[in-house]
Amino acid sequence: GAGVSQSPSNKVTEKGKDVELRCDPISGHTALYWYRQSLGQGLEFLIYFQGNSAPDKSGLPSDRFSAERTGGSVSTLTIQRTQQEDSAVYLCASSLVPGPTEAFFGQGTRLTVV
Amino acid sequence: QKEVEQNSGPLSVPEGAIASLNCTYSDRGSQSFFWYRQYSGKSPELIMFIYSNGDKEDGRFTAQLNKASQYVSLLIRDSQPSDSATYLCAVYLSGGYQKVTFGIGTKLQVIP
Repeated sequence: GAGVSQSPSNKVTEKGKDVELRCDPISGHTALYWYRQSLGQGLEFLIYFQGNSAPDKSGLPSDRFSAERTGGSVSTLTIQRTQQEDSAVYLCASSLVPGPTEAFFGQGTRLTVV
Repeated sequence: QKEVEQNSGPLSVPEGAIASLNCTYSDRGSQSFFWYRQYSGKSPELIMFIYSNGDKEDGRFTAQLNKASQYVSLLIRDSQPSDSATYLCAVYLSGGYQKVTFGIGTKLQVIP
């Protein structure tokens, strides 16, 4: 695709339910990032994938959060047993190489936990 | 100490003034530096990058890098209300996970 695609764009879920957020990076981009942004707050790093290397999971806030990237392309961020504090915009970004190149962001998934 | 630090603001400047946005980073091995702009409700987009010490100009924007002081800044000349946004500083480190790390962003308000 022409850009980073995220789905769904909006998700409302009940507290305690599991959710899956999807990111389809730009074709050929080997680096993929997940960030979280709460209302009026800055970007919070969650996880980083680079090619076939072990991901950097240092930003995941709890063991309820996990992510995978299949075939070096599409990534899924899973939040188990959602809590109200998980409500935020989840942004995915990809870049061509793990280097000093531009990271392109998707439009995000707005998650609301009620 | 955070890897990339920015004042969250808001920074308010009058229309036509120079807006100065600052960022410090902790790792001396950092190689590349980026400034992203994020309008409210939108995703971040790249506006400038800089690799070498000194200044880099692009239109009304100037990025300044001082590796010795571990400091990077963004100057916006002739600020316009349309420049009102959050400006995110990002730093690339070639070691370790080789990833780009973002600061929390500075909110800029240009007052007409």
